[in-house]
Amino acid sequence: RKEVEQDPGPFNVPEGATVAFNCTYSNSASQSFFWYRQDCRKEPKLLMSVYSSGNEDGRFTAQLNRASQYISLLIRDSKLSDSATYLCVVNLPRLNTGFQKLVFGTGTRLLVSP
Amino acid sequence: NAGVMQNPRHLVRRRGQEARLRCSPMKGHSHVYWYRQLPEEGLKFMVYLQKENIIDESGMPKERFSAEFPKEGPSILRIQQVVRGDSAAYFCASSDMFGGDETQYFGPGTRLLVL
Repeated sequence: RKEVEQDPGPFNVPEGATVAFNCTYSNSASQSFFWYRQDCRKEPKLLMSVYSSGNEDGRFTAQLNRASQYISLLIRDSKLSDSATYLCVVNLPRLNTGFQKLVFGTGTRLLVSP
Repeated sequence: NAGVMQNPRHLVRRRGQEARLRCSPMKGHSHVYWYRQLPEEGLKFMVYLQKENIIDESGMPKERFSAEFPKEGPSILRIQQVVRGDSAAYFCASSDMFGGDETQYFGPGTRLLVL
């Protein structure tokens, strides 16, 4: 089983639509969760951290379900500029160093059309 | 405040040559991470370094790959005797863990093509 699994998509949606991405992770010791955005041939950029209580940043809402080891990202009122690949990222504590390794999903591709 | 800088942005090598990838972390950051992204795959952690120390290299291939982060200058990822399978995008990230901020900021990447 992959450490972080995402539906690769692509999700094709019209402008203004609401779209949701899901992600599951396998290691219950994970403590921090993130969504990154990666544009074609660019570097990943942090979109938002994900907290147990859920958090919202403008049109973006992230949720975490620790019991099900499941993370979601909801995008409301999609814009053309939201077209990108969305990476689910989970940290994996390494006991011998204390370093928290980030494990990336392969990403979900979103295409927003006019 | 300059972000993470990587150079070169594109690197072409023939099989058997050496590739050197450089990364300058954000100002004030002392933690550097290297990742590799193969086509159509996710980013894979390779190595985590602090100044003059390799903290975790669990994702680094055992042969041909090495990394350093000297007291002065950028971090270097070195690939000796490159093979076609080394063709990928190599991203560097940096963080500042003082104050508890472990957010990793990524550089623009180096795209390595091995002919």
